[in-house]
Amino acid sequence: GESVGLHLPTLSVQEGDNSIINCAYSNSASDYFIWYKQESGKGPQFIIDIRSNMDKRQGQRVTVLLNKTVKHLSLQIAATQPGDSAVYFCAENKGGGADGLTFGKGTHLIIQP
Amino acid sequence: EADIYQTPRYLVIGTGKKITLECSQTMGHDKMYWYQQDPGMELHLIHYSYGVNSTEKGDLSSESTVSRIRTEHFPLTLESARPSHTSQYLCASSVGLRREKLFFGSGTQLSVL
Repeated sequence: GESVGLHLPTLSVQEGDNSIINCAYSNSASDYFIWYKQESGKGPQFIIDIRSNMDKRQGQRVTVLLNKTVKHLSLQIAATQPGDSAVYFCAENKGGGADGLTFGKGTHLIIQP
Repeated sequence: EADIYQTPRYLVIGTGKKITLECSQTMGHDKMYWYQQDPGMELHLIHYSYGVNSTEKGDLSSESTVSRIRTEHFPLTLESARPSHTSQYLCASSVGLRREKLFFGSGTQLSVL
């Protein structure tokens, strides 16, 4: 698998390997986080979410980890497939009644055969 | 699969033209949002609405305006388009709870010549 430091614009992985995409969020009051997948020419598509009272949440082939101490979020994709190729964005719902989600910079996941 | 639709999908117009980007959702969601996204970059919230007759400006200043006369419809208007308005515009909706995911449309790619 491939592990990267805080936000890289591009991550290239071999098909079948595990992918780890990292994200640093800005507001310690944020209490809800989402990962979105955006394929070329399409709108963002929900992948998985996590609330601040959790450290880990698993979905189908995906796991989100939340480290509130360092304000860090990661998305792990198991056994990466060609269809996983997309730009991945993390988003936070800031505290204080903020509306909408605040998005981080995306990471373009490239799958090599 | 989310039922939120944006038209047109692509729009190329000349400077000074008035345009309206359409967004409709059939989920009965109270909250709707407009995000602006430059290629490969994060999404920025430009407008949102809590419900009928409610409109608010988002984090990113925009010369566009919005209206919410019906729950399902949230159009965005530019009175006089300029090249600086060239971008992708994404519409989203949500039920209206604080911690929840947004459902996105496929976006309108606007090019102003």
